[in-house]
Amino acid sequence: GQSLEQPSEVTAVEGAIVQINCTYQTSGFYGLSWYQQHDGGAPTFLSYNALDGLEETGRFSSFLSRSDSYGYLLLQELQMKDSASYFCAVSSTDSTLTFGKGTMLLVSP
Amino acid sequence: NAGVTQTPKFQVLKTGQSMTLQCAQDMNHNSMYWYRQDPGMGLRLIYYSASEGTTDKGEVPNGYNVSRLNKREFSLRLESAAPSQTSVYFCASTQLAGGGETQYFGPGTRLLVL
Repeated sequence: GQSLEQPSEVTAVEGAIVQINCTYQTSGFYGLSWYQQHDGGAPTFLSYNALDGLEETGRFSSFLSRSDSYGYLLLQELQMKDSASYFCAVSSTDSTLTFGKGTMLLVSP
Repeated sequence: NAGVTQTPKFQVLKTGQSMTLQCAQDMNHNSMYWYRQDPGMGLRLIYYSASEGTTDKGEVPNGYNVSRLNKREFSLRLESAAPSQTSVYFCASTQLAGGGETQYFGPGTRLLVL
C-alpha cells in the first residue's frame, strides 16, 4: 500500500518563503506530484518530479529525493491568493495517484 | 472547451436512496477517476478506468459501482446511500494513466445523505 505524510497546517506572511514537506512509503513508485486546492474548489496541478532534483515553475519549485522517499514544495514571494490546501501525490505503476491528507497554508498580511 | 464537467453540483439523499453521479470530459483523455474527499482525509480513489472498456477498484470502492459509458463519460452509482457516503465527489481525467500525467479535476458534487 501507499502512505504519505505532510504537515496539516503551515502559516506564513506575505512575501515570505514557505516549504511544505512530504514523505512517502509506496510500492511501484513512479513520481511525486503537487496539487493546489482553494476552499470549495477543484484540485489543480502544480508540479511533478520523476527524477531527483529541483523543478522550478515561476514562484513554485518542487524537489524530490527518491532515495529518501522525500519531497517538498517551495513557494516563494507568498501572496494572499496562495492561501489554499496543498496535496502531495504519488504516481504508481498501477496507473493511480495516491494523495496525502493535505497541508493548509494560511498567508497573512 | 469545458474540461471535466460533473452533475449534479449538490444532492441531498435519504438513507437507502440511489443516485448516479455523472462525469464527462472533452479533452479526449483515455483515463478517468472518481475520488471522494472528506475533511482531513485528502482525496481517496473510489474507482478508475485506465482506458475505455476497463474499470478497476481503488482504495474505497465499497458501496459504489461505476460505468465507463464511452471515452468521454464515466458515471458513479450509489445503489443504497448511507450517511457514511456524505462527502464531496470529484471526477478527474488524464491523457494516459501512470507516468505522472496531470490529472484534471471537475468542480465536484457535494452529497449529503440523511
